[in-house]
Amino acid sequence: SQTIHQWPATLVQPVGSPLSLECTVEGTSNPNLYWYRQAAGRGLQLLFYSVGIGQISSEVPQNLSASRPQDRQFILSSKKLLLSDSGFYLCAWRKTGGGLGYTFGSGTRLTVV
Amino acid sequence: AQSVTQLGSHVSVSEGALVLLRCNYSSSVPPYLFWYVQYPNQGLQLLLKYTSAATLVKGINGFEAEFKKSETSFHLTKPSAHMSDAAEYFCAVSDRDTGRRALTFGSGTRLQVQP
Repeated sequence: SQTIHQWPATLVQPVGSPLSLECTVEGTSNPNLYWYRQAAGRGLQLLFYSVGIGQISSEVPQNLSASRPQDRQFILSSKKLLLSDSGFYLCAWRKTGGGLGYTFGSGTRLTVV
Repeated sequence: AQSVTQLGSHVSVSEGALVLLRCNYSSSVPPYLFWYVQYPNQGLQLLLKYTSAATLVKGINGFEAEFKKSETSFHLTKPSAHMSDAAEYFCAVSDRDTGRRALTFGSGTRLQVQP
């Protein structure tokens, strides 16, 4: 069966420090991958999506970047965190050409202090 | 561009009462619509989805939603609330870009169930 792993679950980082959040998918190949952010009291905003290795599309201008070094690995990064980067980050995957079945990871709660 | 509006950021019901969570969408083409539930500090779990088949969609945990094109609505209902239904609920619409197919979410509705 397919599973999605996201880590760490919680993270407290000082302003100006770097960030790396990792998401991996098991049990499928060539998935579409997504990073969403949920700011306090708000809905989920799409940050990045990827349809293949090295292919990243950014949805909003921001302090973050994403990379896909392997087929089932999706990394969210920042060189210098801002207070406004705090939030709940969710990774999701969907089978390419496989309809509308999205599966979400358990999320990372990031607090920038 | 697509958008989703969820009316009411907080809804409180008594245990056993009807649950009604409202969702209206904006889309230039027939949309795909979803309802997700999120428990504290967890990811999202799919409750149900509408994909142009039956307009009344039944999901997990006794929830259902009805797609009404004339009202551009996709409200979520459950006849009798249970304490375990307390969570945050998100309505979402999917675009039809076959490559992107990302979800656009509403701002969420937090459901409280009173004993």
